[in-house]
Amino acid sequence: GQQLNQSPQSMFIQEGEDVSMNCTSSSIFNTWLWYKQDPGEGPVLLIALYKAGELTSNGRLTAQFGITRKDSFLNISASIPSDVGIYFCAGQLHYGGATNKLIFGTGTLLAVQP
Amino acid sequence: EAQVTQNPRYLITVTGKKLTVTCSQNMNHEYMSWYRQDPGLGLRQIYYSMNVEVTDKGDVPEGYKVSRKEKRNFPLILESPSPNQTSLYFCASSYGRTSGSFYNEQFFGPGTRLTVL
Repeated sequence: GQQLNQSPQSMFIQEGEDVSMNCTSSSIFNTWLWYKQDPGEGPVLLIALYKAGELTSNGRLTAQFGITRKDSFLNISASIPSDVGIYFCAGQLHYGGATNKLIFGTGTLLAVQP
Repeated sequence: EAQVTQNPRYLITVTGKKLTVTCSQNMNHEYMSWYRQDPGLGLRQIYYSMNVEVTDKGDVPEGYKVSRKEKRNFPLILESPSPNQTSLYFCASSYGRTSGSFYNEQFFGPGTRLTVL
């Protein structure tokens, strides 16, 4: 099955630093999503992007839908310890009857040292 | 509280012993899906269901079965588990198809960690 290339695989940073991660695909998506997974929990939606070039913020998080529709990035500013977790990008395909199908990235593990 | 529940949360079993992981949602969602999560591979879709009695294969369906007899429940069945099915499994649900382009947010359960010896 198709997967998205997500980088970096892991990041170990100091509290207060900014973080950037990105996702690339060989295919075009109609929607890009960013999820966060806390330890022992399921993924939770952070940001949804619907149009090429769109830049959306959610608090300290900012994400962009790439112009080519084949990539997206997520920035976290002024990181805090509770930002720790695994961040996943996901692309949504619209085809046939499976309009809710998601293709997930491989994940970025973020560790924040106080 | 709106939620997706999965049971059990942890399961250790042996090769070949049939098992079922239950998934239930209380949000009246049409769409339900099962994913498995493996290190370095992200989440991969196993099966999904657009509505009651409507199921279809995802990207990695081999060795799994599902059923959707009721709207709220979507059990995952492993008829003869094997060690390569050791993984973290997530159930998710959302509203179904819309005419617009907005994303119907998928809500995930807490996960079931399965170990097959």
